[in-house]
Amino acid sequence: DGGITQSPKYLFRKEGQNVTLSCEQNLNHDAMYWYRQDPGQGLRLIYYSQIVNDFQKGDIAEGYSVSREKKESFPLTVTSAQKNPTAFYLCASSITAYVQNTEAFFGQGTRLTVV
Amino acid sequence: KNQVEQSPQSLIILEGKNCTLQCNYTVSPFSNLRWYKQDTGRGPVSLTIMTFSENTKSNGRYTATLDADTKQSSLHITASQLSDSASYICVVDLNRDDKIIFGKGTRLHILP
Repeated sequence: DGGITQSPKYLFRKEGQNVTLSCEQNLNHDAMYWYRQDPGQGLRLIYYSQIVNDFQKGDIAEGYSVSREKKESFPLTVTSAQKNPTAFYLCASSITAYVQNTEAFFGQGTRLTVV
Repeated sequence: KNQVEQSPQSLIILEGKNCTLQCNYTVSPFSNLRWYKQDTGRGPVSLTIMTFSENTKSNGRYTATLDADTKQSSLHITASQLSDSASYICVVDLNRDDKIIFGKGTRLHILP
């Protein structure tokens, strides 16, 4: 089945640790995105990638890092520099970066909790 | 400042009833307006996509409308079902810079 898969579904991190969230898609999409969702807030863009080996900062990139070595994969690392990492993280992909009528597909999310 | 405002913040209706969710935006110009459904703890799923030139789009019991003059969109749900309980998010794509803006969503509860 084609789709976009995030793992793990739940993740616990100790303060000061880096953690990496996985996002894989087999839709042959060029563009991939990472969002953060906090209660009562709209989704906020962390990073996005329009093509392999290229990525751009979103609105809240501080404390996060990404890589795009393969078209199918766009992992997100939450570093110890991120002061408030507890949130629900969503990965999305689209055929190209947002243009007219481009469908965006979301993964099921990873809930990260700092303990 | 580009904004997407949704109302109400939350809504409770009885199963079988209809409801309408609102989305007002100040984004201009834009290319697409989308409605997503997000179940608790899950990723959003697309319901409808409308370009700025379209004024209605249906997907089963979901019908989205768009009034570009008043900068308003609505999502109408007919004959609600318990599975409609979710957050509904309005999203506007800016026609530049590959930017999109998410509303905060309306939380809909369907009671049996």
